[in-house]
Amino acid sequence: DVVMTQSPLSLPVTLGQPASISCRSSQSLVYSDGNTYLNWFQQRPGQSPRRLINKVSNRDSGVPDRFSGSGSGTDFTLKISRVEAEDVGVYYCMQGTHWPLTFGGGTKVEIK
Amino acid sequence: EMQLVESGGGLVQPGGSLRLSCEASGFTSSNFQMSWVRQAPGKGLEWVANINQDGTLRFYMDSVKGRFTISRDNAKNSLYLQMNSLRAEDTAVYYCARDRQCYMWGQGTMVTVSS
Repeated sequence: DVVMTQSPLSLPVTLGQPASISCRSSQSLVYSDGNTYLNWFQQRPGQSPRRLINKVSNRDSGVPDRFSGSGSGTDFTLKISRVEAEDVGVYYCMQGTHWPLTFGGGTKVEIK
Repeated sequence: EMQLVESGGGLVQPGGSLRLSCEASGFTSSNFQMSWVRQAPGKGLEWVANINQDGTLRFYMDSVKGRFTISRDNAKNSLYLQMNSLRAEDTAVYYCARDRQCYMWGQGTMVTVSS
């Protein structure tokens, strides 16, 4: 199985400051069609997960442009340019290239 | 508005069975692969199963193979998860999600396996 390793586990951030979350996969996520199926999800307290980013860097509809994704191969990053109070929650990366699909362990973003 | 609504969760004894349902609205679910993902209390997300558009291809995580069956009824815009031989470690909120990349999620249904 592809292991997805996220860091840090916890990320205290000052409002208005940037935040960055790393996600590494144990093998390449490039699919046979040439796409890299790496997704990012946000789960606010008490809510269902919401997809923010698909295929490494494509923001989903309605996602604020302060969220951005980057990376390639096995190394990926989610960045929040200026953290707002509504960004508090747990963020997960997920690979959709190989079966079984696998998630990272999550990064908890909180306000300092 | 596109929506996924799960139902069928509850309390069941170890070794028992439950059938979860997920009804899609606001879009034609038959156009998409569908997935089940679970989250144990206080833990992270864990993919469980996936089914292709016409139901001919199914994938499962190792620990549920032979116990869980994913199916769908496209005429009813619905997805199902038949769970047999349930174990304590299957206790979780179960979410259905649209497509392999989990574009959208339902609100989840809680399954508790306990005597």
